[in-house]
Amino acid sequence: GAVVSQHPSRVICKSGTSVKIECRSLDFQATTMFWYRQFPKQSLMLMATSNEGSKATYEQGVEKDKFLINHASLTLSTLTVTSAHPEDSSFYICSATPGQAFFGQGTRLTVV
Amino acid sequence: AQKITQTQPGMFVQEKEAVTLDCTYDTSDQSYGLFWYKQPSSGEMIFLIYQGSYDEQNATEGRYSLNFQKARKSANLVISASQLGDSAMYFCAMREVDRGSTLGRLYFGRGTQLTVWP
Repeated sequence: GAVVSQHPSRVICKSGTSVKIECRSLDFQATTMFWYRQFPKQSLMLMATSNEGSKATYEQGVEKDKFLINHASLTLSTLTVTSAHPEDSSFYICSATPGQAFFGQGTRLTVV
Repeated sequence: AQKITQTQPGMFVQEKEAVTLDCTYDTSDQSYGLFWYKQPSSGEMIFLIYQGSYDEQNATEGRYSLNFQKARKSANLVISASQLGDSAMYFCAMREVDRGSTLGRLYFGRGTQLTVWP
């Protein structure tokens, strides 16, 4: 079946630094990928829709200058958390949909 | 309004017994898809089963079956012969096929934490 790979799976960074998370579709081309955020014991909330070759579409309340999304190829979307702060600590997970939705492994971000 | 409602924050079931996890949904679209995912403590989202709105038969995948009642807008997950490894968070999700730029996005419920005991 289709596979989505996300890297890194876990990252700890200092407050004020930026972190880049990669999401790759391994055996299919994904013109659209989705980035979700999940706080502990809560549901997944869509942050943005990543579109290959064009600007991402952000959900209401998501700061696009803080969460930079780049979808430069049909197999790679990146989410960069800029100037991270402790409140950005969360679980971030991407998905791509060649039919059903496949998810990456997720990235657990801790900002200290 | 919530598009996906899971009313059971937690469920307990004994090993080898069957359990039903509830899910209701809200949409005005005619074409949509319903998903169930399992999320163990590692965080990965494991796809379990899918039901299309036009599918007349209830979906089944091994020990998982989806009890699809379209008129009631419910899509309950039934796990038969529970195993200890089934203990995890379970999410119901919906994709509305007809929406333009958000085509493919999923709306998730709050999840149900299932605990299987020996």
